[in-house]
Amino acid sequence: DAGVTQSPTHLIKTRGQQVTLRCSPKSGHDTVSWYQQALGQGPQFIFQYYEEEERQRGNFPDRFSGHQFPNYSSELNVNALLLGDSALYLCASSLVRPDYGYTFGSGTRLTVV
Amino acid sequence: DQQVKQNSPSLSVQEGRISILNCDYTNSMFDYFLWYKKYPAEGPTFLISISSIKDKNEDGRFTVFLNKSAKHLSLHIVPSQPGDSAVYFCAASAGGAGSYQLTFGKGTKLSVIP
Repeated sequence: DAGVTQSPTHLIKTRGQQVTLRCSPKSGHDTVSWYQQALGQGPQFIFQYYEEEERQRGNFPDRFSGHQFPNYSSELNVNALLLGDSALYLCASSLVRPDYGYTFGSGTRLTVV
Repeated sequence: DQQVKQNSPSLSVQEGRISILNCDYTNSMFDYFLWYKKYPAEGPTFLISISSIKDKNEDGRFTVFLNKSAKHLSLHIVPSQPGDSAVYFCAASAGGAGSYQLTFGKGTKLSVIP
């Protein structure tokens, strides 16, 4: 049973560019959350998608946007990249009520130069 | 302002002994707490959780204790094994187990020495 799949695993972008990260949730899961983990920090909640709608958003600027598709997969888009956006981006999937915790992917390491 | 704090960046324990990882929180609205383990190059893996209506939850070698009055929780691993060496994150949510948003601490790196 495949877990959460994220692509790409690594990428390097230039400041000011735009980036799209992709996530396929664990089979049977319908909810996708995105987290940003900066070096030496814990993951920080960006937003969560359920039924193709953004259900809740953390303290991130509008440069961060997302989308969920009918097959429950999701994309995270970041516009006008800043050096400070360099981080590990984690996707987590769950059922709409995550009583047993979220299942995380291995993440996408984004480096902005 | 960090709402979930793990004040020990690292911890070393001998194999077979008890590992105790601590976590403090400041937000009184938190009512559900989770522990995750993370190996390098992998995503966090769910370990164990506890609701604020309980003060203890046990799962095999892992036990989580919650002290609501002190806003403190701890994860006990007994006995510790070399494979337990990883970074452990404490996380909390407001709104119960169905909450949308987890707030994480910075993590504690556990090293279990054979």
